[in-house]
Amino acid sequence: SAVISQKPSRDICQRGTSLTIQCQVDSQVTMMFWYRQQPGQSLTLIATANQGSEATYESGFVIDKFPISRPNLTFSTLTVSNMSPEDSSIYLCSVEPPGQWGGEQYFGPGTRLTVT
Amino acid sequence: AQKITQTQPGMFVQEKEAVTLDCTYDTSDPSYGLFWYKQPSSGEMIFLIYQGSYDQQNATEGRYSLNFQKARKSANLVISASQLGDSAMYFCAMREPGTASKLTFGTGTRLQVTL
Repeated sequence: SAVISQKPSRDICQRGTSLTIQCQVDSQVTMMFWYRQQPGQSLTLIATANQGSEATYESGFVIDKFPISRPNLTFSTLTVSNMSPEDSSIYLCSVEPPGQWGGEQYFGPGTRLTVT
Repeated sequence: AQKITQTQPGMFVQEKEAVTLDCTYDTSDPSYGLFWYKQPSSGEMIFLIYQGSYDQQNATEGRYSLNFQKARKSANLVISASQLGDSAMYFCAMREPGTASKLTFGTGTRLQVTL
């Protein structure tokens, strides 16, 4: 498995501002992902954070709104830009450590974002 | 079409009893992986158990077991000897080849364990 930390754990932000969420892993991993979980909903993949190249975004998510950085194999950031109340969600990063039999992903504790 | 379907929005079980959480999936690919995660009220996602499509036996991890019925495309989670700490949301997820490790999640089942 892997130990994953996220900062901040929660935040309350005003609309129109931006928030950067950090994800740190205790070991080097190739695959790192960012998910969004809107209130009462399931998880939706935002993008795959690729080390040394641009992130790969899922349908419905764009780089201008959710820019992602992946400077090395243990760290990534997700920025939620020009926030609106609809961005209020839990944002989770996950990793797929190498050598996992089934390719299971391990998740960070999440960042609870409230936009007012 | 939904790839992962969890038809039970909420379930109740008495402490020490067993409970089955349902999950059906839809894929035309013969190679896939199925996962269950637990999400307590704290919000973290905890990996519970994995079942590969080619695995001959049902997966087990402690009090968790997966009732895998391939022909029916179901992968139900069985929790034995329920504990109060099992109260949480439970999500079923699937990974298909060629999707760059993308997990597709179901809508979840909220389990409440009662005394």
